Amino acid sequence: DTAVSQTPKYLVTQMGNDKSIKCEQNLGHDTMYWYKQDSKKFLKIMFSYNNKELIINETVPNRFSPKSPDKAHLNLHINSLELGDSAVYFCASSQDPTGTYGYTFGSGTRLTVV
Amino acid sequence: KQEVTQIPAALSVPEGENLVLNCSFTDSAIYNLQWFRQDPGKGLTSLLLIQSSQREQTSGRLNASLDKSSGRSTLYIAASQPGDSATYLCAVRGISGGSNYKLTFGKGTLLTVNP
Repeated sequence: DTAVSQTPKYLVTQMGNDKSIKCEQNLGHDTMYWYKQDSKKFLKIMFSYNNKELIINETVPNRFSPKSPDKAHLNLHINSLELGDSAVYFCASSQDPTGTYGYTFGSGTRLTVV
Repeated sequence: KQEVTQIPAALSVPEGENLVLNCSFTDSAIYNLQWFRQDPGKGLTSLLLIQSSQREQTSGRLNASLDKSSGRSTLYIAASQPGDSATYLCAVRGISGGSNYKLTFGKGTLLTVNP
């Protein structure tokens, strides 16, 4: 199946811990994204990489660090987790940064910080 | 700064009804607009993608229109079915200023189709 795959699907962790979410796409796309969906269901972009290079870095705490080892993978590492980080994190990809052919989203990672 | 508004926030209809979901955006300088559906606890599924030069797109029982100059899009669902129950999200891809390369989403319309 061609898709955007995220792991884990659910993540429950304590405040102060460090955790990572992984994303992989086998669509051959050049551009990948991380979006955050908060408790009010609003989806907002966090980061975007095009062929391993960072092209969008929204106002996100520097506890969040994306890493793209190759253009098919974009991981999100979060240090010193806080209660407010609880949300659903979506990975997405597009053929190129223009998004001309649309965007494909993963199924999300529900992060709960307790 | 681009803002996307979706009306209504929630809609409940009986099975078989035709319905319209609305999306409006403040900056008409968009590259394209995409409609998604989100099922509870699941990811986003792309429904229709309309380029800025297009007026509408159709897929099965779904028809999306785009009026870029007025900053509006509608998603028309014909003969609704219980399986259509989901949250429908509208997202625009901007071409100007800070909106470059980003999708800006509305908050969605929660649709419930009752058998």
